[in-house]
Amino acid sequence: EVQLVESGEGLVQPGGSLRLSCAASGFTFSSYAMHWVRQAPGKGLEYVSGISSNGGSTYYADSVKGRFTISRDSSKNTLYLQMGSLRAEDMAVYFCARGGCTSTNCYINYWGQGTLVTVSS
Amino acid sequence: QSALTQPASVSGSPGQSITISCTGTSSDVGGYNYVSWYQHHPGKAPKLMIYDVSNRPSGVSNRFSGSKSGNTASLTISGLQAEDEADYYCSSYTSSSTHVFGTGTKVTVL
Repeated sequence: EVQLVESGEGLVQPGGSLRLSCAASGFTFSSYAMHWVRQAPGKGLEYVSGISSNGGSTYYADSVKGRFTISRDSSKNTLYLQMGSLRAEDMAVYFCARGGCTSTNCYINYWGQGTLVTVSS
Repeated sequence: QSALTQPASVSGSPGQSITISCTGTSSDVGGYNYVSWYQHHPGKAPKLMIYDVSNRPSGVSNRFSGSKSGNTASLTISGLQAEDEADYYCSSYTSSSTHVFGTGTKVTVL
């Protein structure tokens, strides 16, 4: 059974940093692209970032480009999202998600339960 | 990377069919056959219902079907059931090599 468990939930001040982690199990982690998607309170889903199966390609939404960094560690079956220069509009539930193939153009077929990031002074 | 446009809400009686539209541009929906649909119950993980425009993952009811014409994709739910009540989001791969989601549609079973 595919399992994606996010961690790193927290309260951070505007301008601060936070790192989210996603522990993956139940599949060969190194064979699939991975993504982060977020949902702000009362809003819809927003794509944040994606990384190819071998980590060689990364992509970001314009709203986070230059502030967030996605990475993966296949030895630990873990996906990361390093978030910096956080703004109030970054406050959201962040979902870790698995793609359907090695590259990031595939659909997303599995999701974690999400972890809450609160940005407030 | 503007969100794809979906109706805010769609409703139907049990047994009826409803269709949710998802309108984008030639840089996303119209340019790729990489449109997917997700069912989301608040507080839970979203669930993939349709991928690559019209394909159903194993385990998803055949009451769910997808299609696309030009820059608009559609999700049809036939034989509407109470358990179908949820938020639905479309998504498309884009020319920026990212994905973009729709604005979301709340489906209500009357």
